[in-house]
Amino acid sequence: DSGVTQTPKHLITATGQRVTLRCSPRSGDLSVYWYQQSLDQGLQFLIQYYNGEERAKGNILERFSAQQFPDLHSELNLSSLELGDSALYFCASSPQDSGTDTQYFGPGTRLTVL
Amino acid sequence: TQLLEQSPQFLSIQEGENLTVYCNSSSVFSSLQWYRQEPGEGPVLLVTVVTGGEVKKLKRLTFQFGDARKDSSLHITAAQTGDTGLYLCAGARSHNTDKLIFGTGTRLQVFP
Repeated sequence: DSGVTQTPKHLITATGQRVTLRCSPRSGDLSVYWYQQSLDQGLQFLIQYYNGEERAKGNILERFSAQQFPDLHSELNLSSLELGDSALYFCASSPQDSGTDTQYFGPGTRLTVL
Repeated sequence: TQLLEQSPQFLSIQEGENLTVYCNSSSVFSSLQWYRQEPGEGPVLLVTVVTGGEVKKLKRLTFQFGDARKDSSLHITAAQTGDTGLYLCAGARSHNTDKLIFGTGTRLQVFP
């Protein structure tokens, strides 16, 4: 158990819909990262928040957005969903904001878009 | 463009065999991490290497960071069925960059 929690575990929805994925980092960790993992693309970095502020952006689509709240939990919002958005979405947390910090991954949310 | 290429993509071996997984790039990384991911779970960090030429051992696993910090290898001695999983390398390109770049992954299956 990494200490990072993600909800829901599974999500099935239709194209065009909007969903929100939730992540609670390990106690004391200030950074939260979101990743997308699909079979053909591997693990892709989407976005990072550090202590409530956006810190780094990766391959995140404009239809996707995220935020980190004062209690440090984070939400990833996916809108106008397409079939290709079906993937595993992971959240990870780390104590600070260094690239060499260990990132602790949550169990993931499996999103299926029908 | 995939910055970190792993090889092989798939590996299927018998228990007791040795194996090596490679992680290669044309870019220099300030540090490189190896993760193992089991089905239905998130990746779990195995090791971080930060110095060119560094070798780290974790029981039957040996990790090496290339002298030029562009590549890394993971060697497993006497593989066990519990080693089965997806192995991912991930690199950070500077100490101030928080974006980890993940490799393409190596899926290992160890049969009894």
